[in-house]
Amino acid sequence: QVQLVQSGAEVKSPGASVKISCKASGYIFTTYDIQWARQAPGQGLEWMGWINAGNGNTKYSQNFQDRVTITRDSSATTVYLQLRSLRSEDTATYYCARGDGSGYPRWFDPWGQGTLVTVSS
Amino acid sequence: DFVMTQSPDSLAVSLGERATINCKSSQTLLFDSNNKNYLAWYQQKPGQAPKLLIYWASTRASGVPGRFSGSGSATDFTLTISSLQPEDVAVYYCQQYYRPPLTFGGGTKVEIK
Repeated sequence: QVQLVQSGAEVKSPGASVKISCKASGYIFTTYDIQWARQAPGQGLEWMGWINAGNGNTKYSQNFQDRVTITRDSSATTVYLQLRSLRSEDTATYYCARGDGSGYPRWFDPWGQGTLVTVSS
Repeated sequence: DFVMTQSPDSLAVSLGERATINCKSSQTLLFDSNNKNYLAWYQQKPGQAPKLLIYWASTRASGVPGRFSGSGSATDFTLTISSLQPEDVAVYYCQQYYRPPLTFGGGTKVEIK
């Protein structure tokens, strides 16, 4: 079955960077895109960006444009989210999710289990 | 950016009764060339990742029970749970994918009355 398994929780200091992984299985990795979203404690969902797993093309939310990088390792069927210059407001659960395979960012299905990133001094 | 506004923020419904959640977009989500509405709905249970329920505004995702239905067009959309079950207690989100950045509504919490 299609599964996305994310790396474990992280605790970072303000100003640091974090890199979260999302390992995909159960389908042909390069035929579906992967998206990232986050959810601050008790809050709603915020889209961060998208990668076409086939050609590596990316699209980012302007809210994170200069701090976020999404990459993929096709041989490892894994996508990575790196967020730099962390601040306390970045404390959230970060989710990866598979796109619909159209080559455009659309809906998310399925989702990874989430990775809690805590930014604290 | 597209602003998605959900209402109500929360609602309590008796078991077996209908629950209705509204979602309004600041711009049309209807793409003229294919006559499709670029809207999805998700369910998020406590402590879990969201789960896709509906895409193209009214198409149920695989395995989603028939009591969930989506309707609406252009800027106004509705998610209906026809007969609320205990396992439907969750927060529900709408999401537009007409144009990046993809944006979500603020969520509607559904509880049992």
